[in-house]
Amino acid sequence: QVQLVQSGAEVKKPGASVKVSCKVSGYTLTELSMHWVRQAPGKGLEWMGGFDPEDGETIYAQKFQGRVTMTEDTSTDTAYMELSSLRSEDTAVYYCATDQVGAFDIWGQGTMVTVSS
Amino acid sequence: SYELTQPPSVSVSPGQTARITCSGDALPKQYAYWYQQKPGQAPVLVIYKDSERPSGIPERFSGSSSGTTVTLTISGVQAEDEADYYCQSADSSGRVFGTGTKVTVL
Repeated sequence: QVQLVQSGAEVKKPGASVKVSCKVSGYTLTELSMHWVRQAPGKGLEWMGGFDPEDGETIYAQKFQGRVTMTEDTSTDTAYMELSSLRSEDTAVYYCATDQVGAFDIWGQGTMVTVSS
Repeated sequence: SYELTQPPSVSVSPGQTARITCSGDALPKQYAYWYQQKPGQAPVLVIYKDSERPSGIPERFSGSSSGTTVTLTISGVQAEDEADYYCQSADSSGRVFGTGTKVTVL
């Protein structure tokens, strides 16, 4: 049974960067395709990017290209999502989620990121 | 950019049937997936590949597809089914979520 445990809430100033972690247990990270999804307060779900096993590379939503970096540390089975040049509109809950059946079947608990001066 | 359109809200009485639609031009070529999200919780996958149900999801949840529209049906709605529901699919640029539907159990 895969479990994803994310890092704690963050408060950042505009222009700063944030790095959210997602620790995998029950599987190894190399067996999984990890994605990141965010949800602004009172808004819908927004896919940010993730690993495409067919291409063997990480793909990013066009909206975030140049500002987001998704990495993995296979020695600790931990995935990371770093978002730079933060603005108030980036205030959201950020989720990691695995794709094992072509969909996001297992989700982390979410990490609240608040961007405020 | 590619969009998946859902009705903002659906209201249904307990025991009745709720149907939530999701429309998108690429749906005839791509699978659709459905998620349930309750307040303060992470989403839960309830339907994958248009009509498959993950283990642990009640049989009252079903999915179907016809042309550019996919539908999530909740038969015999229960109070615990009150939640937001999102469809999700893909296009050449990656994954996309629908606009979301709030299901209210009267």
